[in-house]
Amino acid sequence: AQRVTQPEKLLSVFKGAPVELKCNYSYSGSPELFWYVQYSRQRLQLLLRHISRESIKGFTADLNKGETSFHLKKPFAQEEDSAMYYCALNTGGTSYGKLTFGQGTILTVHP
Amino acid sequence: GAVVSQHPSRVICKSGTSVKIECRSLDFQATTMFWYRQFPKQSLMLMATSNEGSKATYEQGVEKDKFLINHASLTLSTLTVTSAHPEDSSFYICSADGGLETQYFGPGTRLLVL
Repeated sequence: AQRVTQPEKLLSVFKGAPVELKCNYSYSGSPELFWYVQYSRQRLQLLLRHISRESIKGFTADLNKGETSFHLKKPFAQEEDSAMYYCALNTGGTSYGKLTFGQGTILTVHP
Repeated sequence: GAVVSQHPSRVICKSGTSVKIECRSLDFQATTMFWYRQFPKQSLMLMATSNEGSKATYEQGVEKDKFLINHASLTLSTLTVTSAHPEDSSFYICSADGGLETQYFGPGTRLLVL
């Protein structure tokens, strides 16, 4: 069965420090992974997807199939990055809404 | 950008009553919508996939007779919690498939069953 694990419920860093939010997955098929973010009082929104190999708001994430990981990184955290971050695995093939979510990590960036 | 709305944003009902939650894609059409449930301080759990014009596909362990889903048009999916009980109290979130590997989430509906 598929599973997404985010080992850290809470993560605190100071502004300007590097940040890494960990995500590991378990899936027998070819994984398609995403990071979603939820800012305070806002809805869940897509941050980035591994297929696009993009950098959004300074965040990057590399899929490591050997370690079954998809960690989210940013070299210099900003206060506005404080939010809940979810790692998600697509298990629906071409239907990209069939997602399995991790438990989420609350990132707090202190001034 | 694409917007998905949910109505109501919160609802309180008595045990035994039924509650309907609407999910609308406001500026795009969605043949597929999804319903998630989120317990306090827990992750989102996919309940079912709603397909326009056909029956919904439920995830294992989700009672289809309890959570009725109707996707009558390309912009509207409804979730009806039938004979609600306190254990059904939760945060229900829908999302709509916007194509191109993108889905858009609604703001969620807080259900409290007394």
